[in-house]
Amino acid sequence: AQSVTQLDSQVPVFEEAPVELRCNYSSSVSVYLFWYVQYPNQGLQLLLKYLSGSTLVKGINGFEAEFNKSQTSFHLRKPSVHISDTAEYFCAVTDPFQGAQKLVFGQGTRLTINP
Amino acid sequence: EPEVTQTPSHQVTQMGQEVILRCVPISNHLYFYWYRQILGQKVEFLVSFYNNEISEKSEIFDDQFSVERPDGSNFTLKIRSTKLEDSAMYFCASSQLAGRSEQFFGPGTRLTVL
Repeated sequence: AQSVTQLDSQVPVFEEAPVELRCNYSSSVSVYLFWYVQYPNQGLQLLLKYLSGSTLVKGINGFEAEFNKSQTSFHLRKPSVHISDTAEYFCAVTDPFQGAQKLVFGQGTRLTINP
Repeated sequence: EPEVTQTPSHQVTQMGQEVILRCVPISNHLYFYWYRQILGQKVEFLVSFYNNEISEKSEIFDDQFSVERPDGSNFTLKIRSTKLEDSAMYFCASSQLAGRSEQFFGPGTRLTVL
């Protein structure tokens, strides 16, 4: 069975500082990997996804993530954060060979940007 | 931009009552999902639905739960006899295809069981 671990439940950073949100997954098969963001009182919005190919994936709002198969990680990074990046971030995995391909989520990381 | 909508945004019910949570997926999408998030916990998969039948369901999705696509636009989740532990945020999602295709999420329905 697949599982996802987000190592940090909360990450406070100062505005314009870089940030890395960590995600590790466990799976015996190939995976697709996703990062979703949830702004207050809103649904989940896709930031970026890794399906295959280049291990460095660029997403919306200046975020990027790197797939590392040997370390089974998919950490999310942004070089300079803004107040508007304050949100909950979820890493998720799915099995590309499964039928309807449910997402398995991590626990989420709350990113708080301080001025 | 097309979006997934959910109603109501907040539902309060008494234990043992039936509730129906409603979702309108994006119109050309073929796969539909329900997830839930108990306060402070991770988002959990409940069920996926394709071609008018359940594709997969989790252990959480027991006989108290059912899903239906009663017409060409709505996708509903029914809980027959709610329990206190059903209190959670319920998210509907849809995707055009499986796998490589992004799942688009609705804003959620917060269900409170008293």
